[in-house]
Amino acid sequence: DGGITQSPKYLFRKEGQNVTLSCEQNLNHDAMYWYRQDPGQGLRLIYYSQIVNDFQKGDIAEGYSVSREKKESFPLTVTSAQKNPTAFYLCASSIAPFFYQQYFGPGTRLTVT
Amino acid sequence: EDQVTQSPEALRLQEGESSSLNCSYTVSGLRGLFWYRQDPGKGPEFLFTLYSAGEEKEKERLKATLTKKESFLHITAPKPEDSATYLCAVQARNAGNMLTFGGGTRLMVKP
Repeated sequence: DGGITQSPKYLFRKEGQNVTLSCEQNLNHDAMYWYRQDPGQGLRLIYYSQIVNDFQKGDIAEGYSVSREKKESFPLTVTSAQKNPTAFYLCASSIAPFFYQQYFGPGTRLTVT
Repeated sequence: EDQVTQSPEALRLQEGESSSLNCSYTVSGLRGLFWYRQDPGKGPEFLFTLYSAGEEKEKERLKATLTKKESFLHITAPKPEDSATYLCAVQARNAGNMLTFGGGTRLMVKP
């Protein structure tokens, strides 16, 4: 089955530690995205990538970093510089960068204490 | 700045009681408006894309409509399994492939 996988589903970290969230897709999509969702709020874009080895900042990129070394993979690192990292993180992909619907993965819930 | 406002924030319906969810938007040139369904603890699931005013799309008990300022998601004779959060997002012509999401409407359908 084609789709987007995110791992792990739940992640716990101590404050001050960097943590990397995994996102893999086998849909052969060019574009990939990372969103953050806080309780009762809409999704906010962190980073997106239109093609391998290229990515752009979204609305809330501070304290996060990404890489896109392979078409299938777009990992997100939440650094210790992110002041409020506890949230639900969603990865998405679309067949091409523009004018196409985005398909979402199941999400990773990160809790930092 | 592109803005999307969804109302109400929460909606409780009895099974079979039809209603509508609203998505008001302000965007400098709409490329597309998207509706998603999100179950608790899961990623959003795509429902519809609307491109121009007057357009309508249907799927089972759901019907989405679009005007120049807002979109409605009409739910006809809802069932408990329709309970979820419904998200609206817009893509502006000058925003590349970025979506702006509303805060969502949490729908609860009681049997």
